[in-house]
Amino acid sequence: QKEVEQDPGPLSVPEGAIVSLNCTYSNSAFQYFMWYRQYSRKGPELLMYTYSSGNKEDGRFTAQVDKSSKYISLFIRDSQPSDSATYLCAMSGASIVAPHQGAQKLVFGQGTRLTINP
Amino acid sequence: DGGITQSPKYLFRKEGQNVTLSCEQNLNHDAMYWYRQDPGQGLRLIYYSQIVNDFQKGDIAEGYSVSREKKESFPLTVTSAQKNPTAFYLCASSVDGSTDTQYFGPGTRLTVL
Repeated sequence: QKEVEQDPGPLSVPEGAIVSLNCTYSNSAFQYFMWYRQYSRKGPELLMYTYSSGNKEDGRFTAQVDKSSKYISLFIRDSQPSDSATYLCAMSGASIVAPHQGAQKLVFGQGTRLTINP
Repeated sequence: DGGITQSPKYLFRKEGQNVTLSCEQNLNHDAMYWYRQDPGQGLRLIYYSQIVNDFQKGDIAEGYSVSREKKESFPLTVTSAQKNPTAFYLCASSVDGSTDTQYFGPGTRLTVL
């Protein structure tokens, strides 16, 4: 079983729809949760960052973390064709790799390929 | 204009050859990372460095080597020992090794002919 599971899709929705992207994880030590957006043949860009459980909203994007269920979500409201991309979840704990050095190792999901149709 | 640059964007290599991928950042970040991305597998950590002249192996370091002689530079060498080197390589940096937020460069697509 992978540490982080993410449905690779592809997911195709009409413009204006609400999109829900999800990841599940198995490591209860994860405390930091991120969503990255990656356009084709480009590097990932940080979209949302949350610490521990709860919700965070930024414009049309909302990130949710449910640590009790080991489940995180990204919601996109009023989706636009420009939102078409691959969305990667990533997470880390406190000093997973080297506690004495504080190194942060991010564990990524596979990425979900999203297409918003005009 | 701060950021991370990777060069070249596309790279072709013959089997048996070593090749070096460049990564430069002007964000004054201490930590730098190299990832490999294959279709359907997400990002996998190759090497990381928290400080100049120090680096650590990630999950898939075999067949790769790095150096960190300058704070702003973290080149990755793909050696002939890497059995399946064709992939998209991403460099990232963060303020320091204890900071969770990593920022990525545009990537280098390596193809072995």
